[in-house]
Amino acid sequence: DAGVIQSPRHEVTEMGQEVTLRCKPISGHDYLFWYRQTMMRGLELLIYFNNNVPIDDSGMPEDRFSAKMPNASFSTLKIQPSEPRDSAVYFCASSFGVKVYEQYFGPGTRLTVT
Amino acid sequence: GQQVMQIPQYQHVQEGEDFTTYCNSSTTLSNIQWYKQRPGGHPVFLIQLVKSGEVKKQKRLTFQFGEAKKNSSLHITATQTTDVGTYFCAGGVGATNKLIFGTGTLLAVQP
Repeated sequence: DAGVIQSPRHEVTEMGQEVTLRCKPISGHDYLFWYRQTMMRGLELLIYFNNNVPIDDSGMPEDRFSAKMPNASFSTLKIQPSEPRDSAVYFCASSFGVKVYEQYFGPGTRLTVT
Repeated sequence: GQQVMQIPQYQHVQEGEDFTTYCNSSTTLSNIQWYKQRPGGHPVFLIQLVKSGEVKKQKRLTFQFGEAKKNSSLHITATQTTDVGTYFCAGGVGATNKLIFGTGTLLAVQP
């Protein structure tokens, strides 16, 4: 299996621009998670989906952030407009099952907003 | 809100020395997972503990889950340079698949 795939791996953008991060979970996994990692705040859960339906978005920082999962093999995290404080590594992870099973993380997208 | 703290934040050891990181939750957890993140990499699952007082071993790594299911520890015996990285605990919340990640412990191993 190819594992969780994220694109792009690196993104540099100017403040005010729209940014879209993409994730392809492991085939057959029914949970998908979006995390943000910074030195100051550590690894934070932003939102997670079960069977393409958002279950908990309480970690989404503000209305500038939105996430979608149109089908079982694709999800996006959009930031509009982006701000310098959004600079971080964004990870997507997927897992399988109704119990809390291990999460498989993608390689991450390093976002820099100037 | 729920918080999971880890101590120490950073540990520097000589190769061959032992290492322990501790994880404490403000609330009771349904389970605890441990992940390792190499520098520049992504978190990789190590193990999951579910039962109160559970102890599991993986070669030189020993994981414990506290009796009250609010704390956990990871002990590495005779560290090697390949053990370098940040170790995170992650607590399961209720019956959901949501994990609260701890603050992490960065381990540096000097050869």
